[in-house]
Amino acid sequence: QQQVRQSPQSLTVWEGETAILNCSYEDSTFNYFPWYQQFPGEGPALLISIRSVSDKKEDGRFTIFFNKREKKLSLHITDSQPGDSATYFCAASASNNRIFFGDGTQLVVKP
Amino acid sequence: DPKIIQKPKYLVAVTGSEKILICEQYLGHNAMYWYRQSAKKPLEFMFSYSYQKLMDNQTASSRFQPQSSKKNHLDLQITALKPDDSATYFCASSQPGLEDTQYFGPGTRLLVL
Repeated sequence: QQQVRQSPQSLTVWEGETAILNCSYEDSTFNYFPWYQQFPGEGPALLISIRSVSDKKEDGRFTIFFNKREKKLSLHITDSQPGDSATYFCAASASNNRIFFGDGTQLVVKP
Repeated sequence: DPKIIQKPKYLVAVTGSEKILICEQYLGHNAMYWYRQSAKKPLEFMFSYSYQKLMDNQTASSRFQPQSSKKNHLDLQITALKPDDSATYFCASSQPGLEDTQYFGPGTRLLVL
């Protein structure tokens, strides 16, 4: 049973639009949710994260919205740029050393 | 300068052989991890080490053996390689008290023929 699910699998937006990436999870003990950005041929890079005590985390153009009751979260990328084109992984952890990853959303930002 | 070094970047091996994947981190972290990313599955946790001691092992096969010779090193030895082992292997690290905030290396892409 996959612990973390992401949708859509792929997403295309125009430059300047807001990209919305969705994520849901199963385990109610998860309390930390990082999002990673991965470019082809590189390792995942920690982009932004949120702990379950918060319902929103903002960092520049990147914002996480978190709904604990529904076990859902989303990553909003405002004013999307072509350089944001990458695969984005939602992940979850239960304050231990193991992180569970979703399958990723491949984002393409067209100029 | 890269903070987490993985060597080699690419590796081709024949079925049945043995390989060692190298990982060194220069972030001053005490916890290190291995993850695997294949075409068929999402990024999967394999091992975690803290202060050079095994903390968690989610790899069913004993063919995968981490080796920590120094605090900032965590190599991965894989024996009796199989084509299904083909994947990209990522090393990660974290600082004490923030084990869930993990930073990843560039990966070693392994192809087993």
